[in-house]
Amino acid sequence: AQSVTQLGSHVSVSEGALVLLRCNYSSSVPPYLFWYVQYPNQGLQLLLKYTSAATLVKGINGFEAEFKKSETSFHLTKPSAHMSDAAEYFCAVSGPRYSSASKIIFGSGTRLSIRP
Amino acid sequence: SQTIHQWPATLVQPVGSPLSLECTVEGTSNPNLYWYRQAAGRGLQLLFYSVGIGQISSEVPQNLSASRPQDRQFILSSKKLLLSDSGFYLCAATTGGRLQETQYFGPGTRLLVL
Repeated sequence: AQSVTQLGSHVSVSEGALVLLRCNYSSSVPPYLFWYVQYPNQGLQLLLKYTSAATLVKGINGFEAEFKKSETSFHLTKPSAHMSDAAEYFCAVSGPRYSSASKIIFGSGTRLSIRP
Repeated sequence: SQTIHQWPATLVQPVGSPLSLECTVEGTSNPNLYWYRQAAGRGLQLLFYSVGIGQISSEVPQNLSASRPQDRQFILSSKKLLLSDSGFYLCAATTGGRLQETQYFGPGTRLLVL
């Protein structure tokens, strides 16, 4: 069974500072991993995904994440935070890939706040 | 690319009233469809998913139901709403092929039950 844990329900950084959102996963099969972003009162938008190709995945809006199998981690980073990055971020791991319904397991989310 | 529509965007309903939320998908065929609920300040809870017309799987026992009358239409219903049904409801779809695991989300419906 798959599961995902996001460390820290709320992260606050200063504008221009490094953003680091932590995600650890558990999976009995090689996982697909995702980061989604949700702005207030909107649906989720895919930031990036890992599908067993390159371990460093680049996404939209300057975000990237690195898959580390030894640490079972998929942390999200951005070198320099912008005010527009304030949002809720969800890490997710794929469910059983060989079934016809590919359920994704979502973490509980991390709210990112940006200080001026 | 696919586009997911949800309506209404916002809904205020009294306790005990019925509910019908609709989700339609454009730009793809035979998608897997999902209903999630997001309570205030909490993560996503998968409610139902469907792999085809008339095929519904329920993840959480509750007073909600789902139906899929057409390939790209997914409906969430209730006969009698409870206060605990309040939340943000999201519809999502996955498409076939190697991208099957990527879920694309609609804009959501905010439901307030009073």
